[in-house]
Amino acid sequence: EIVMTQSPASLSVSLGERATLSCRASQSVSHNLAWYQQKPGLTPRLLIYGASTRATGTPPRFSGSGSGTDFTLTISSLQSEDFAVYYCQQYINWPSITFGQGTRLDIK
Amino acid sequence: EVQLVESGGGLVQPGESLRLSCAASGFTFSDYVMHWVRQAPGEGLEYVSSITGNGGNTYYADSVKGRFTISRDNSKNTLYLQMGSLSAEDKAVYYCARSEIKDITISGVIMIGPIDVWGQGTTVIVSS
Repeated sequence: EIVMTQSPASLSVSLGERATLSCRASQSVSHNLAWYQQKPGLTPRLLIYGASTRATGTPPRFSGSGSGTDFTLTISSLQSEDFAVYYCQQYINWPSITFGQGTRLDIK
Repeated sequence: EVQLVESGGGLVQPGESLRLSCAASGFTFSDYVMHWVRQAPGEGLEYVSSITGNGGNTYYADSVKGRFTISRDNSKNTLYLQMGSLSAEDKAVYYCARSEIKDITISGVIMIGPIDVWGQGTTVIVSS
């Protein structure tokens, strides 16, 4: 099983500031990495796939980078609606797809 | 509009069974790999099970293997999860989700894309 490790577990950032979230895979997943956003009580929403491609409706302030084992989600200028939990997921190893444990992004 | 709508969740006692359903609309259901993903209260996302478009191949997380059965009825655009021998550890919101098939290798290995559509979830509570 490919283990996905996200850091930090939680992050406090001010409105308008930049947030950087990390995700590391225990073995290479190439570019088969997705990021999801989940707000309290709501369904996860696909933000980024292929490590760096924004999904339909994802604002340009969200960007993904990385390949292999190390990935980053960057939110360039935080808006109030961006405060949520973010999960990374690898899908190269289907059916053994795995998620990171999540990073909680709070308002500072 | 692409939509997945789960139903069938509820309160059951330990050891009992439950069947979840997921009604799909707005896309060609049989073209997609379908998944069940669950989320325990206050926890992260956990993969549960997948099924290929024609239903010919099914997969399970070790935590549910032998207790859960995934199936689909493409004529009804519906995905199912039959859950048995339920325990407190199965308490969670269960999401139905889809992935497209990106590629099938020469050796027959299926490569999927990300989960691009999620249902709203249905809650399963296991308690005596």
